[in-house]
Amino acid sequence: GENVEQHPSTLSVQEGDSAVIKCTYSDSASNYFPWYKQELGKRPQLIIDIRSNVGEKKDQRIAVTLNKTAKHFSLHITETQPEDSAVYFCAARGGSNDYKLSFGAGTTVTVRA
Amino acid sequence: DGGITQSPKYLFRKEGQNVTLSCEQNLNHDAMYWYRQDPGQGLRLIYYSQIVNDFQKGDIAEGYSVSREKKESFPLTVTSAQKNPTAFYLCASSVYSGPLHFGNGTRLTVT
Repeated sequence: GENVEQHPSTLSVQEGDSAVIKCTYSDSASNYFPWYKQELGKRPQLIIDIRSNVGEKKDQRIAVTLNKTAKHFSLHITETQPEDSAVYFCAARGGSNDYKLSFGAGTTVTVRA
Repeated sequence: DGGITQSPKYLFRKEGQNVTLSCEQNLNHDAMYWYRQDPGQGLRLIYYSQIVNDFQKGDIAEGYSVSREKKESFPLTVTSAQKNPTAFYLCASSVYSGPLHFGNGTRLTVT
């Protein structure tokens, strides 16, 4: 099955700086890559996603890039703000199963004021 | 919340007892999922269902059981065979190849 690895596990950034989280996946047939944000005690919420026919996608301060050849994708947050502090999860789906989503272990992001 | 309701929010049980977690959705999604979340770990898939009366094991199905008798409902039973049942359980739903929408979760504590 799909194996998703996520790095780093923790990330501390100064407010206004950028944050980058990287994920690798094992199944070359995977075709859908969402990112979720989870605040303490709350449910994960989708913040951005990308499909395999696209190399990059942006939504305001958030962007995701995908390198299919290397089987890795990254989340970029620019001009970080205190409300960006949360746990971020990457995930991958596809290949022979268009339902099963496999998650990375998560990155705890702390934005220092 | 967000069309997916999990109940209760907190659940306490004694070791050796089976317990059922409720998950209902009104999003008309075909697929439903159960994930387990432990501190410092990602979301691990327990079971998922693509259609009524059908479901598949995820990565950590041992000690759990599910049913999918209605499109809207996907209850999870944590049996006494589950060695470490204390965790945060998240239910989700999706359309075919779409993103997952999560419920607010149930925090289960077994002592």
